[in-house]
Amino acid sequence: NAGVTQTPKFQVLKTGQSMTLQCAQDMNHNSMYWYRQDPGMGLRLIYYSASEGTTDKGEVPNGYNVSRLNKREFSLRLESAAPSQTSVYFCASSRRRSDTEAFFGQGTRLTVV
Amino acid sequence: KQEVTQIPAALSVPEGENLVLNCSFTDSAIYNLQWFRQDPGKGLTSLLLIQSSQREQTSGRLNASLDKSSGRSTLYIAASQPGDSATYLCAVNTSGSRLTFGEGTQLTVNP
Repeated sequence: NAGVTQTPKFQVLKTGQSMTLQCAQDMNHNSMYWYRQDPGMGLRLIYYSASEGTTDKGEVPNGYNVSRLNKREFSLRLESAAPSQTSVYFCASSRRRSDTEAFFGQGTRLTVV
Repeated sequence: KQEVTQIPAALSVPEGENLVLNCSFTDSAIYNLQWFRQDPGKGLTSLLLIQSSQREQTSGRLNASLDKSSGRSTLYIAASQPGDSATYLCAVNTSGSRLTFGEGTQLTVNP
């Protein structure tokens, strides 16, 4: 089983460029999440989608947009990348919001120069 | 606001030792607590999930306990092996929509 798959694994952007990080899960989960991981800050929630058709802001949503394309796919878009968005991005999914185990992808390492 | 602290930040032990990793959280109104393992440059692997109504969970050499009233969880690793070397992350689900993570304990098990 693939679980949660993220693409790309690595990306270098110039300031002001845009890009979309893709995430897909094959576990028939309802809820999906985007986190970023920074040294000294831990993992922080950017956006989440509790179910297909809904999205909500997390702790650090500024500079990002998301799309829940269908039940399997949840994408994260950077419209105008900034050096502060240099980070490792993780997508996660869970069967539902509250009481189920979360599964994570392998991450996308993004550098904005 | 929920805050999660993990102590120690780093731990180095000889192979074969039993060890305990600690996690504390400030808001005891949690849905569940999850322990993860992260290898360098990799994603997070779920180790154990403890629901708020449970006291402990076991998987192989791993045992996690939860004391919700005191805001504490421990991850016990028995008979540690070099392959256990990784960063261990504790995360609590408070709001139902997000996990709040600690910064992790970096474990090194020396052969």
